[in-house]
Amino acid sequence: NAGVTQTPKFQVLKTGQSMTLQCAQDMNHEYMSWYRQDPGMGLRLIHYSVGAGITDQGEVPNGYNVSRSTTEDFPLRLLSAAPSQTSVYFCASSYSNMGTGHNSPLHFGNGTRLTVT
Amino acid sequence: GENVEQHPSTLSVQEGDSAVIKCTYSDSASNYFPWYKQELGKGPQLIIDIRSNVGEKKDQRIAVTLNKTAKHFSLHITETQPEDSAVYFCAAITNAGKSTFGDGTTLTVKP
Repeated sequence: NAGVTQTPKFQVLKTGQSMTLQCAQDMNHEYMSWYRQDPGMGLRLIHYSVGAGITDQGEVPNGYNVSRSTTEDFPLRLLSAAPSQTSVYFCASSYSNMGTGHNSPLHFGNGTRLTVT
Repeated sequence: GENVEQHPSTLSVQEGDSAVIKCTYSDSASNYFPWYKQELGKGPQLIIDIRSNVGEKKDQRIAVTLNKTAKHFSLHITETQPEDSAVYFCAAITNAGKSTFGDGTTLTVKP
């Protein structure tokens, strides 16, 4: 059971380049989300999805796009990378975080460390 | 939106002592409060959680308390061990799926 898998683990981009951070989970979780973690700060929610075909913005969505065409995958796209997007990105999933009145724990991947020069 | 404040930002204790980390939240819609432990180079891992209909929960050396009226919740670690050294995060999550994390507490347990 792989859990939440993020690829790549490390990435260096030049300003203006685009790329996609991949996230896949094999637990049949409905809820998936993306966070960025900057030094001295907690995790900030970028985008989240409560099920296939449904996405919504979190606290810091600007500069990022997401889609959820399948339950398993939730890729994060950087359209035009900027140095301010240098960060560690975490993907997480959980069984259900909405609608049931019964939130469940988030399972995190091991992160993607992104540097934009 | 939700705002979660976490204190202290760093905490150093002697092995065997207790450690307490406190968080406050602002959004009454938050109803789920997990605590995560993050070790270097890894993703956060859940250590304990509490729902809004419960005041206290304990799991061996770890306990969490929740005061809904005051909108604060706390993590208590007793008989600390060096392997408890890590960064700890609290979070407040609403039923709609929005999660807000505290800024983290770096706990150091000195042998």
